[in-house]
Amino acid sequence: DAGVIQSPRHEVTEMGQEVTLRCKPISGHDYLFWYRQTMMRGLELLIYFNNNVPIDDSGMPEDRFSAKMPNASFSTLKIQPSEPRDSAVYFCASAYRDTEAFFGQGTRLTVV
Amino acid sequence: DAKTTQPPSMDCAEGRAANLPCNHSTISGNEYVYWYRQIHSQGPQYIIHGLKNNETNEMASLIITEDRKSSTLILPHATLRDTAVYYCIVRARAGNNRKLIWGLGTSLAVNP
Repeated sequence: DAGVIQSPRHEVTEMGQEVTLRCKPISGHDYLFWYRQTMMRGLELLIYFNNNVPIDDSGMPEDRFSAKMPNASFSTLKIQPSEPRDSAVYFCASAYRDTEAFFGQGTRLTVV
Repeated sequence: DAKTTQPPSMDCAEGRAANLPCNHSTISGNEYVYWYRQIHSQGPQYIIHGLKNNETNEMASLIITEDRKSSTLILPHATLRDTAVYYCIVRARAGNNRKLIWGLGTSLAVNP
């Protein structure tokens, strides 16, 4: 398996624009996680899914953020409208049952 | 989940053992100790986990004290590629709770 695949790797956008981050989990994994990492706050869990159903979205900062998982092989994290303070590295991870999570390479988002 | 405390940084000479400590004095009986590391610009990578017995795999060894209030991750022969931030996390492997609380970790520098 190629591991968790995220796209794009880098995204630069202007404030107010919509941003969509994409993730393909490892085949067969039933958990999918979205994390955000900044220097100030470290690694924060935004939301996670089990069998395509959102289980805990308490980490989603505000209504501008939304995440979907339409099927077992694809998930999106959308920010609309984007703001400079959303600049961070966003990681997607997947796991099988209660075993360890595998992370993607991340998407570095810069909002100017 | 219980919180962990780690030193912010450590140095190690190449070829020597790196011993990374972690305090988790409030750990519960059903919580496991997990270790991940993050090499610069990459996603976190799982290393090892344990409940109360010492564990060893191809990457590292995990020593957990008898009272389970602290643990040590041991990289037996550190190489320059082991330079990374190492995270110690405790998590209960029960139910649907997969929320991990990530601290700031220990930044390990392996020097030639």
